[in-house]
Amino acid sequence: DADVTQTPRNRITKTGKRIMLECSQTKGHDRMYWYRQDPGLGLRLIYYSFDVKDINKGEISDGYSVSRQAQAKFSLSLESAIPNQTALYFCATSAGNRGPTNSDGANVLTFGAGSRLTVL
Amino acid sequence: ILNVEQSPQSLHVQEGDSTNFTCSFPSSNFYALHWYRWETAKSPEALFVMTLNGDEKKKGRISATLNTKEGYSYLYIKGSQPEDSATYLCASDSWGKLQFGAGTQVVVTP
Repeated sequence: DADVTQTPRNRITKTGKRIMLECSQTKGHDRMYWYRQDPGLGLRLIYYSFDVKDINKGEISDGYSVSRQAQAKFSLSLESAIPNQTALYFCATSAGNRGPTNSDGANVLTFGAGSRLTVL
Repeated sequence: ILNVEQSPQSLHVQEGDSTNFTCSFPSSNFYALHWYRWETAKSPEALFVMTLNGDEKKKGRISATLNTKEGYSYLYIKGSQPEDSATYLCASDSWGKLQFGAGTQVVVTP
């Protein structure tokens, strides 16, 4: 089984629908992230969470919300999907403060396989 | 707006040739610089993380350097092979919050 699992892997929906993308991890990491990828724009941070009670907006949080249900679960919701939210979404985790004593590796991201969302 | 810039956007390399490309990043709130390798239809995978000015990391034929004073990092591929074809992403790590560049797509042709 993958360390970071995203569901669904592909979803086609209509404008105005509510969509939830789910992410679960078995790495025991404290930190979880949601990124979206658009061609030519790289990965842009939507939301991130450094522990269950700590949730922060990223650079493009408008139109999105998140829930950190447990250390291992972090879901992303689109309350009313619009076509320009069509993208590839990645969940990622990192060990953060509980990482290896070599601080270089503390924030290395482990990515899920991605969720491709199309909003018609 | 991307504060992390990568150039070139893409490059084509002949098998056996060496190549390099650049990542520039803001020096404020800098903690570390990450490089990831992203193959088509897969997830990005970590290559290197560097924190100190002058750091150099190497993994096989791929290596990277870091200059935090001027805000850039180079990634080098020596003797490129077709399996090196991928998009290479750099990310500036500001205490656990990573900002990515748009990537450099490398295509190695036999």
